[in-house]
Amino acid sequence: DQQVKQNSPSLSVQEGRISILNCDYTNSMFDYFLWYKKYPAEGPTFLISISSIKDKNEDGRFTVFLNKSAKHLSLHIVPSQPGDSAVYFCAASYPGNQFYFGTGTSLTVIP
Amino acid sequence: GAVVSQHPSWVICKSGTSVKIECRSLDFQATTMFWYRQFPKQSLMLMATSNEGSKATYEQGVEKDKFLINHASLTLSTLTVTSAHPEDSSFYICSARLAGSTEAFFGQGTRLTVV
Repeated sequence: DQQVKQNSPSLSVQEGRISILNCDYTNSMFDYFLWYKKYPAEGPTFLISISSIKDKNEDGRFTVFLNKSAKHLSLHIVPSQPGDSAVYFCAASYPGNQFYFGTGTSLTVIP
Repeated sequence: GAVVSQHPSWVICKSGTSVKIECRSLDFQATTMFWYRQFPKQSLMLMATSNEGSKATYEQGVEKDKFLINHASLTLSTLTVTSAHPEDSSFYICSARLAGSTEAFFGQGTRLTVV
């Protein structure tokens, strides 16, 4: 049972435009959410996080939005750069510190 | 930031042999480490939660006798794949949490190929 879902397996965006990656979750007990970026054959690297008490967190070009009522999370990257091309995973954490990951969205930023 | 080192980064082994993967937190103490497995084009799946000085907690469907986890110190957790089979070929990743933090740091991952 996939508790965290990323329904778009891939996304292509022109350089300079906004990339929007979406994530849905089913369990209202999740209280901490993260986005990770992963290059092939490497471990994921942390991008940005948000706790359930907030609805927005911004770090440079990356902004994460949380809509608790819709159980929906999104990552905005603006402006998108070719180096942003990677697979992006969203993850949700229980209070007991376990993480559950979505299936990933492969972002391609076209120069 | 905090660094988690995972070794080896890749390994090829013969079917029936055992393989040990190490996960070290280099500049912080990790009371809890997590082991994940990723199949191609699938999400990272939590295999087990490793707590220093106690038995690991395995997720449903993960064979604890096959995937032995040891967390002997605050900076080291090991995953041993025993009697490996080709279907165990996968990408294994560990992560460790800073005490009192919800943020986790990931190792570089280990690509295991069983032939």
